[in-house]
Amino acid sequence: EVQLVESGGGLVQPGGSLRLSCAASGFTFSHSAMTWVRQAPGKGLEWVSSISVSGDNTYYTDSVKGRFTISRDNSKNTLYLQMNSLRAEDTAAYSCATGYKYFDFWGQGTLVTVSP
Amino acid sequence: EIVLTQSPGTLSLSPGERATLSCRASQSVSSRYLAWYQQKLGQAPRLLIYGASSRATGIPDKFSGSGFGTDFTLTITRLEPEDIAVYYCQQYGSSPWTFGQGTKVEIK
Repeated sequence: EVQLVESGGGLVQPGGSLRLSCAASGFTFSHSAMTWVRQAPGKGLEWVSSISVSGDNTYYTDSVKGRFTISRDNSKNTLYLQMNSLRAEDTAAYSCATGYKYFDFWGQGTLVTVSP
Repeated sequence: EIVLTQSPGTLSLSPGERATLSCRASQSVSSRYLAWYQQKLGQAPRLLIYGASSRATGIPDKFSGSGFGTDFTLTITRLEPEDIAVYYCQQYGSSPWTFGQGTKVEIK
């Protein structure tokens, strides 16, 4: 059974940083591109960032370019999202998902709240 | 970026009825690169359809997708209480990948 478990969310002040993790199991992590998607409270889904199988290629939505960094450790079956210079509009539940273009499996998400 | 507009916002139907959900794109979605997801309250989204009409693994044939260009449809036949959810479309033909705002399906 595919399992994706996110962690690392919390309350942070504007301008602060957080690192999210996504622990994967039940599939061959090193063979799967991975993605972060976020959902602001009461809102729809927004693609944030994706990473290739090897980690050599990364992709970001414009609003997070230069502030967020996606990475992976295939030896630990873990996906990361380093988030710097956080803004109020980054407040959302962040979920990791398998795939690069469409997303087969999703985690439950971890909540990031950016507030003074 | 491609904007996806879903309609209606809320669909209220009786058990056994057919639900027809629309997803309209602001530009043509290349190669029918459109997916549909189901998100039940408090749960992670579940992939239903990719490539506009291909069902994901384990998805029953009561769910079907169709369309091309700018107009896509998700059809749910024989609506059941377990189908209560918000349904999202997503295009992956042009970066950034974008989602529609969702259609909420309710049972009367």
